[in-house]
Amino acid sequence: AQSVAQPEDQVNVAEGNPLTVKCTYSVSGNPYLFWYVQYPNRGLQFLLKYITGDNLVKGSYGFEAEFNKSQTSFHLKKPSALVSDSALYFCAVRENQAGTALIFGKGTTLSVSS
Amino acid sequence: NAGVTQTPKFRILKIGQSMTLQCAQDMNHNYMYWYRQDPGMGLKLIYYSVGAGITDKGEVPNGYNVSRSTTEDFPLRLELAAPSQTSVYFCASSYSGTKDTEAFFGQGTRLTVV
Repeated sequence: AQSVAQPEDQVNVAEGNPLTVKCTYSVSGNPYLFWYVQYPNRGLQFLLKYITGDNLVKGSYGFEAEFNKSQTSFHLKKPSALVSDSALYFCAVRENQAGTALIFGKGTTLSVSS
Repeated sequence: NAGVTQTPKFRILKIGQSMTLQCAQDMNHNYMYWYRQDPGMGLKLIYYSVGAGITDKGEVPNGYNVSRSTTEDFPLRLELAAPSQTSVYFCASSYSGTKDTEAFFGQGTRLTVV
């Protein structure tokens, strides 16, 4: 069965520093991976996805993610964090067949201090 | 273009009461989903639909029912509310169920059962 793990409940970084939010996955076959962000009292917003091709995927708000097949990871990164990046981040994988839903990790709270 | 609209935003129910959470999308998406979000647990799939007249169970369907009479609407029904159903509910939709398609989320319904 497909699964996603986010090993950190919370990540704290100072504004201007690089940030990484970790995600590992387990799927049979090729993975289709997604990152979403949730601001307080809001729904989830799509950030980026990995389908195939370049292992470094660029997305919204300056975020990028690096796909590493050997480590089964899909870590979210940003070179310089902003206080406004503080939110809850979810990694997700779609099951390896059409017509199914996204499977989400438990989420990681990112806190960026000024 | 409103996207995915959920109503109500908040609701308090007494144990044993019933209610329907409404979800509508105006993007002509075939696929729709209901998730519940509990603190530290991520999102769990309740039900999903691949088109009008077709629904299927997700990971946590017990205590819920759905219907999909039109492409636009996907209501979630709670028949006998229980405290364990206290949660934030998110409706989502996607253009197709192919593996590379991201989902779009509504703003959520915060439900408390007392």
